[in-house]
Amino acid sequence: EAQVTQNPRYLITVTGKKLTVTCSQNMNHEYMSWYRQDPGLGLRQIYYSMNVEVTDKGDVPEGYKVSRKEKRNFPLILESPSPNQTSLYFCASSLEAGELFFGEGSRLTVL
Amino acid sequence: GDSVTQMEGPVTLSEEAFLTINCTYTATGYPSLFWYVQYPGEGLQLLLKATKADDKGSNKGFEATYRKETTSFHLEKGSVQVSDSAVYFCALTEDTGRRALTFGSGTRLQVQP
Repeated sequence: EAQVTQNPRYLITVTGKKLTVTCSQNMNHEYMSWYRQDPGLGLRQIYYSMNVEVTDKGDVPEGYKVSRKEKRNFPLILESPSPNQTSLYFCASSLEAGELFFGEGSRLTVL
Repeated sequence: GDSVTQMEGPVTLSEEAFLTINCTYTATGYPSLFWYVQYPGEGLQLLLKATKADDKGSNKGFEATYRKETTSFHLEKGSVQVSDSAVYFCALTEDTGRRALTFGSGTRLQVQP
């Protein structure tokens, strides 16, 4: 079954404690991306990757890092989380522009 | 920059009612337009798309027509079901390397039996 898998699905952490949200896809897509979803704002792109070792900033990259060492994996790293990073995060992969396959989301709360 | 505006929700309808969710956009070029649906506790799923003016996207009884003259892409369904209750997002992308989707804020649909 084609899918994008994120972990953890739910996480509560404290300010400054580094965390990583993993993302894996089994569709052999070259393109992967991270979005955050906030009430009233829709989804906003954080980072994207066109292929292995090729990553770039989206609309709201501050406070986040990513890496793409393998085609299937695209982890999102919060080096020093802050409360304004409390959000619902989605990883997505794509074969064609605009047609994204989304994971189920990771709800992060930073206290 | 690009933007997408959707009607405020929630939209509450009775089963078998006609649905319209309005979506208008602003873009510098010739975007492709999409509707995504998010069921409770799940990620977004592509519902339908249209890539050029006057195209009609359709899926699962939903349809939307790309209207360049009014910069709109309204979502319609002739007879909604309780199972259609979800949040619907209108989105666009222009043909750039970033492939970023610009999303509207979402419209929650509640269908009552």
